[in-house]
Amino acid sequence: GAVVSQHPSRVICKSGTSVKIECRSLDFQATTMFWYRQFPKQSLMLMATSNEGSKATYEQGVEKDKFLINHASLTLSTLTVTSAHPEDSSFYICSAGELSTDTQYFGPGTRLTVL
Amino acid sequence: QKEVEQDPGPLSVPEGAIVSLNCTYSNSAFQYFMWYRQYSRKGPELLMYTYSSGNKEDGRFTAQVDKSSKYISLFIRDSQPSDSATYLCAMSLLYNTDKLIFGTGTRLQVFP
Repeated sequence: GAVVSQHPSRVICKSGTSVKIECRSLDFQATTMFWYRQFPKQSLMLMATSNEGSKATYEQGVEKDKFLINHASLTLSTLTVTSAHPEDSSFYICSAGELSTDTQYFGPGTRLTVL
Repeated sequence: QKEVEQDPGPLSVPEGAIVSLNCTYSNSAFQYFMWYRQYSRKGPELLMYTYSSGNKEDGRFTAQVDKSSKYISLFIRDSQPSDSATYLCAMSLLYNTDKLIFGTGTRLQVFP
């Protein structure tokens, strides 16, 4: 099946710093990618829909100025957590849809810890 | 009321047992229904998806959708210790590559 990668897999940062997470579709093009967040023992919650070449669409309650999304190419979307705080510590997972197979593939996730 | 409800478990069964996992939902507009498996600290892996009502079988796994009752199920036959994971149901409105609404996940433990 298709592969979606994320980098880094783990990141630890100090409060107030910004962190960038990359999501790549390795063997297919994705006009749309999704960013989810998962707190311990909870389900995946959609944060935003990343659209190639246009602005991201954020879910209700997600601060677009704090979680910056850029989808500059058909294989890469980035999520930047600006001025991170301990409450932003979570597991961030991206996904990308392969239209030819009508299947959504998930990345391995990035564990963010803000001290 | 959450859009998708799923019993969080944990569910502990002996090897070889038949496992039944279930989700209920409130939005009758959902058309695509997925089951994902997630191991600890990993991304979800798609197991099966079903469009609209009906059954779908793939090896030891069977997915059922009853849209009239807003109820979906995943059955695992001859469960193995390697099946131990969290199972998430997910749904979308338009197609499989649309944004997904997930259940909370059911943690399954299959012991030898």
